[in-house]
Amino acid sequence: GIQVEQSPPDLILQEGANSTLRCNFSDSVNNLQWFHQNPWGQLINLFYIPSGTKQNGRLSATTVATERYSLLYISSSQTTDSGVYFCAGYNNNDMRFGAGTRLTVKP
Amino acid sequence: NAGVTQTPKFRVLKTGQSMTLLCAQDMNHEYMYWYRQDPGMGLRLIHYSVGEGTTAKGEVPDGYNVSRLKKQNFLLGLESAAPSQTSVYFCASRPTGAFYGYTFGSGTRLTVV
Repeated sequence: GIQVEQSPPDLILQEGANSTLRCNFSDSVNNLQWFHQNPWGQLINLFYIPSGTKQNGRLSATTVATERYSLLYISSSQTTDSGVYFCAGYNNNDMRFGAGTRLTVKP
Repeated sequence: NAGVTQTPKFRVLKTGQSMTLLCAQDMNHEYMYWYRQDPGMGLRLIHYSVGEGTTAKGEVPDGYNVSRLKKQNFLLGLESAAPSQTSVYFCASRPTGAFYGYTFGSGTRLTVV
């Protein structure tokens, strides 16, 4: 079946630290995306990254489609990076989400 | 630019009551989606629509109905609410072909007692 698996489930960092979040996805998933859900519940697109590498400020993402995984890198983390990070991929017309990585950045 | 607007933002229902959640988007998007989010889980797709007058089942459609009579609106109905439907509901929309163009509403927190 369709699977999008994320690790780690929880991550606690000190402000300024770097982190890597991982997403593994099954064969039937494509057009991978990363989202951030802030502590107020709002979901924001971070990256649309079916393959390759993209960077946006302190965040970057890499998807290796042939090996069915994607990585989200957060450098020099800030308290405002706290929240839940989801990866999601398409199967036909709908998008399936992983369970998320809850990131807490402490000052 | 309102984007995707969900109403209401909060609601408490008694078991067996019915209600309708409204999602409205002003971006002329063809695709619209309803998801539910439960603690410790990602979003799960309930129903979706690929255009006005169309609807399709997602991953967890049981107990819900939807309608897309107008392109800008996507309604989610609960005919007989159950405690298992206590959740946060998110609506999203995107344009045709633009998988990256997802826009989410701010969510509806529903409690069924």
